[in-house]
Amino acid sequence: AQKITQTQPGMFVQEKEAVTLDCTYDTSDPSYGLFWYKQPSSGEMIFLIYQGSYDQQNATEGRYSLNFQKARKSANLVISASQLGDSAMYFCAMREDLGNTPLVFGKGTRLSVIA
Amino acid sequence: EAQVTQNPRYLITVTGKKLTVTCSQNMNHEYMSWYRQDPGLGLRQIYYSMNVEVTDKGDVPEGYKVSRKEKRNFPLILESPSPNQTSLYFCASSTTRKSYGYTFGSGTRLTVV
Repeated sequence: AQKITQTQPGMFVQEKEAVTLDCTYDTSDPSYGLFWYKQPSSGEMIFLIYQGSYDQQNATEGRYSLNFQKARKSANLVISASQLGDSAMYFCAMREDLGNTPLVFGKGTRLSVIA
Repeated sequence: EAQVTQNPRYLITVTGKKLTVTCSQNMNHEYMSWYRQDPGLGLRQIYYSMNVEVTDKGDVPEGYKVSRKEKRNFPLILESPSPNQTSLYFCASSTTRKSYGYTFGSGTRLTVV
């Protein structure tokens, strides 16, 4: 069963606007971590933000915030004040705590920022 | 600088010619992993290693081998590459803590003709 679902293959956003990238996950482990990575056209994987399953507050890192809704099993990434350099693939990923399981990725969302 | 180094960055090879993609990390991480990335499929795990001499299959292990003789190195071996192994490959390392994400190498773009 797919553990990470990103339903938006592609998104467009106007420069300086905010955008939300969706991510839902599936796990029975009460302890897990959620991650977002950015992959620009150059190909490298860049870590953006982390949310732990027991964290009370939504994670924020600069213009990135994670809208964590535990009951809905969603972990949406919000990018505020989009910039042209934000155009990239974005991957949501999850790591369960039980048994040192690996990082499992969604299929990604391609974000295009329009001037 | 803390990093994962994988080589080569680009490789074009012919079907059946054995190749090795090297991966090395300098962060003393226990956990290392190989992923392949294909359009529309995201990143899929090939093999992982939780420590020296401990390796296990990921989601797509067929056609690949790995070894972990030293903590810092985790090479990916394709004994007899086939065109369906044309892909972008990433090596990554991590501590075993769930709150720690992976540090990725720069990727190896492999083409098998």
